[in-house]
Amino acid sequence: EPEVTQTPSHQVTQMGQEVILRCVPISNHLYFYWYRQILGQKVEFLVSFYNNEISEKSEIFDDQFSVERPDGSNFTLKIRSTKLEDSAMYFCASRVLGGFTEAFFGQGTRLTVV
Amino acid sequence: AQTVTQSQPEMSVQEAETVTLSCTYDTSESDYYLFWYKQPPSRQMILVIRQEAYKQQNATENRFSVNFQKAAKSFSLKISDSQLGDAAMYFCAYRSAWGTSYGKLTFGQGTILTVHP
Repeated sequence: EPEVTQTPSHQVTQMGQEVILRCVPISNHLYFYWYRQILGQKVEFLVSFYNNEISEKSEIFDDQFSVERPDGSNFTLKIRSTKLEDSAMYFCASRVLGGFTEAFFGQGTRLTVV
Repeated sequence: AQTVTQSQPEMSVQEAETVTLSCTYDTSESDYYLFWYKQPPSRQMILVIRQEAYKQQNATENRFSVNFQKAAKSFSLKISDSQLGDAAMYFCAYRSAWGTSYGKLTFGQGTILTVHP
């Protein structure tokens, strides 16, 4: 069964460093998303991406964040200068065209900023 | 903006019994979609069940069913014949059907479900 794949599963980084979280969405999917879950809290929307551009972003997704689909298969989230409060689980999700379609989530990347 | 509220931080149930998880939401939209996602200890988000707002019939998936009350903006999840594998965090989520918020999921705070043998 096709699945969304995220790498790495866990990343530890120094405060102020840049990190890139990688995702390989399901191949025929057209909508891509990043969500964040701080430990013990709810899942929060960061950004949606369609047709090679950002379609919506949340207040969390400030200038420190960027997304890219560099080669038609990978979908990356970059955090330019990490802060302690960026420590969270980051989930990538994708889905096909159509309103009632299911968003498939990856297994998440746990980011720890020290 | 839409909000989703899950008022039960934790629930517990005996194996083989039935449990209902509550969810309410706030929206001014008439067309939207509602979802329940399960997050086991592995942290992966797994879709349990979904409902289209314009359909009055409640969705059912095997042991999982919903009670969708559009006027009350309520979307509860009923798990029948609970199994040990149902133990997880459950999230209620809302998705707009149209407009600029089309596509993103807005999640509730989650309910931790414990299943006792």
